[in-house]
Amino acid sequence: GAVVSQHPSWVICKSGTSVKIECRSLDFQATTMFWYRQFPKQSLMLMATSNEGSKATYEQGVEKDKFLINHASLTLSTLTVTSAHPEDSSFYICSAPRSAANTEAFFGQGTRLTVV
Amino acid sequence: GENVEQHPSTLSVQEGDSAVIKCTYSDSASNYFPWYKQELGKRPQLIIDIRSNVGEKKDQRIAVTLNKTAKHFSLHITETQPEDSAVYFCAAKGGAGSYQLTFGKGTKLSVIP
Repeated sequence: GAVVSQHPSWVICKSGTSVKIECRSLDFQATTMFWYRQFPKQSLMLMATSNEGSKATYEQGVEKDKFLINHASLTLSTLTVTSAHPEDSSFYICSAPRSAANTEAFFGQGTRLTVV
Repeated sequence: GENVEQHPSTLSVQEGDSAVIKCTYSDSASNYFPWYKQELGKRPQLIIDIRSNVGEKKDQRIAVTLNKTAKHFSLHITETQPEDSAVYFCAAKGGAGSYQLTFGKGTKLSVIP
């Protein structure tokens, strides 16, 4: 099956700093990628939809200036958590469908972010 | 937008018994319904899925049923094993041209040896 690679798998950063998370589709081109946040014992909450070559679409309540998304190529989307605070600590995970017709979503490994 | 409700939130069964998890969805245009298994700290893994033109699908000990009229779908796991213990998420994908999955809140399944 298709492979989506996410990096880093975990990161610890100081409050106020920025962290970049990468999501790559390894064997297919992904015009769309999704970024989710998952708090402990909770479901995957969609944060934003990353669209190659255009602006990301953010879900209600997600600050676009805080969670910067860049989808500059058909195989790479990045999520940058700017000015991170302890409440941003969470599990961030990306997914990419191969196409709208191919409905299976392929998930990255996830990134455990801890802000201290 | 789509709304997916999942029940129960936790489920404990004895090894060898069956487990059933139920989900409802709100968007009648949704046409794809996957189930994911997620172990702690890991990515969700697709375990089975069903499309809106099918009422039931089975893969060994796992089966999914879909009732389009009632807008609900269920996951059935038979002969449960301790390794089935995990969090299970249902999801629904919108109609033609939609990429987006909406997830249920998850069910923590514990299989007691």
